[in-house]
Amino acid sequence: SAVISQKPSRDICQRGTSLTIQCQVDSQVTMMFWYRQQPGQSLTLIATANQGSEATYESGFVIDKFPISRPNLTFSTLTVSNMSPEDSSIYLCSAQGPGEKLFFGSGTQLSVL
Amino acid sequence: GENVEQHPSTLSVQEGDSAVIKCTYSDSASNYFPWYKQELGKGPQLIIDIRSNVGEKKDQRIAVTLNKTAKHFSLHITETQPEDSAVYFCAAKVGNEKLTFGTGTRLTIIP
Repeated sequence: SAVISQKPSRDICQRGTSLTIQCQVDSQVTMMFWYRQQPGQSLTLIATANQGSEATYESGFVIDKFPISRPNLTFSTLTVSNMSPEDSSIYLCSAQGPGEKLFFGSGTQLSVL
Repeated sequence: GENVEQHPSTLSVQEGDSAVIKCTYSDSASNYFPWYKQELGKGPQLIIDIRSNVGEKKDQRIAVTLNKTAKHFSLHITETQPEDSAVYFCAAKVGNEKLTFGTGTRLTIIP
């Protein structure tokens, strides 16, 4: 299985600011994804982080709000831009290992005041 | 696109008894069905998965069954223990498309 390190684990931010979340995988993986999980809810895919090219965003998520970088096969970042209280959520990084198995980081608990 | 329904949303089970969580999916082409356990403050952990060419898979106290005709799959936990208390998510996937998750089941094991 892939081991995924995500940081920060939590943060409290002021509205209007931006936060960048980092995700490091312990092995090279083809596919990396970013999810959002609102309190008590299921997981919603934000985007697929593509190595060397622009991320692929799901409906309802845009690059200006959630810019993503993926400079290599083990690392990705997600930025939550111009934050509002509605962005308060858990953000999860994930990577696809062998056999389509999807592994998750421990998540970033974001609170926006 | 794929739609996954999960029941029940909450489940309380006496320690030592069995727990069953059920999911249905809409796309008959789905061929991969993982189950995740999420403890408080942690990311989802893959606990077992099954592919469409298999009807049942077991790993110690955990088993998953798949009924392709009825388009439903279930997670079975036997001899439940307090550490089994968590939120469980099922998911389904068609080929190279994204995973679609169920809405989750909060399982509480009563000592």
